[in-house]
Amino acid sequence: DVKVTQSSRYLVKRTGEKVFLECVQDMDHENMFWYRQDPGLGLRLIYFSYDVKMKEKGDIPEGYSVSREKKERFSLILESASTNQTSMYLCASSSRWAAGEKLFFGSGTQLSVL
Amino acid sequence: GESVGLHLPTLSVQEGDNSIINCAYSNSASDYFIWYKQESGKGPQFIIDIRSNMDKRQGQRVTVLLNKTVKHLSLQIAATQPGDSAVYFCAETPYSGAGSYQLTFGKGTKLSVIP
Repeated sequence: DVKVTQSSRYLVKRTGEKVFLECVQDMDHENMFWYRQDPGLGLRLIYFSYDVKMKEKGDIPEGYSVSREKKERFSLILESASTNQTSMYLCASSSRWAAGEKLFFGSGTQLSVL
Repeated sequence: GESVGLHLPTLSVQEGDNSIINCAYSNSASDYFIWYKQESGKGPQFIIDIRSNMDKRQGQRVTVLLNKTVKHLSLQIAATQPGDSAVYFCAETPYSGAGSYQLTFGKGTKLSVIP
């Protein structure tokens, strides 16, 4: 089975802190994604990457950056955390050869910014 | 300001009954659709998909129906079980094939199964 592992289940940070959310997948997938999930708003795409060192903005990239130095790892960075970034963050991966639609998700990181 | 009243639509179903979860989409160019299930404390899991050249697809206990005329998608779960309790999301993308990276997700429907 595909496994997408997010390093933290819960995180509490203070406003202005730099925050790193880490994600690792073990299926050699080309594509990786970061979403945030908020009540009533569903899943919104922050950034995605279809290859090492490649990244593309999603629908809501403001306040975030990403890093993909290795194929299996995709990091989401909050340069200066703000309270409106309190959310559930979901990492996902997919195979390019499966057309990229069938995403496999991690269990999520619930981030609270105080 | 803070948003209030953003509650998920909820469907309550008796165990053993069939469930129907609906989803409306707006992009007429969408031609690939997926249903995901998200249990409490977990990430979404793929259930079933359908391409726009089909109007029905069946899986194990689940059926997806696509009506492109009215841009409507539904997920039917037969003989609903307590383990089916979850939030269900539909997702769409305007094109399939390699390079289709951006799914658009619906806001979700919470299914509660009454034992």
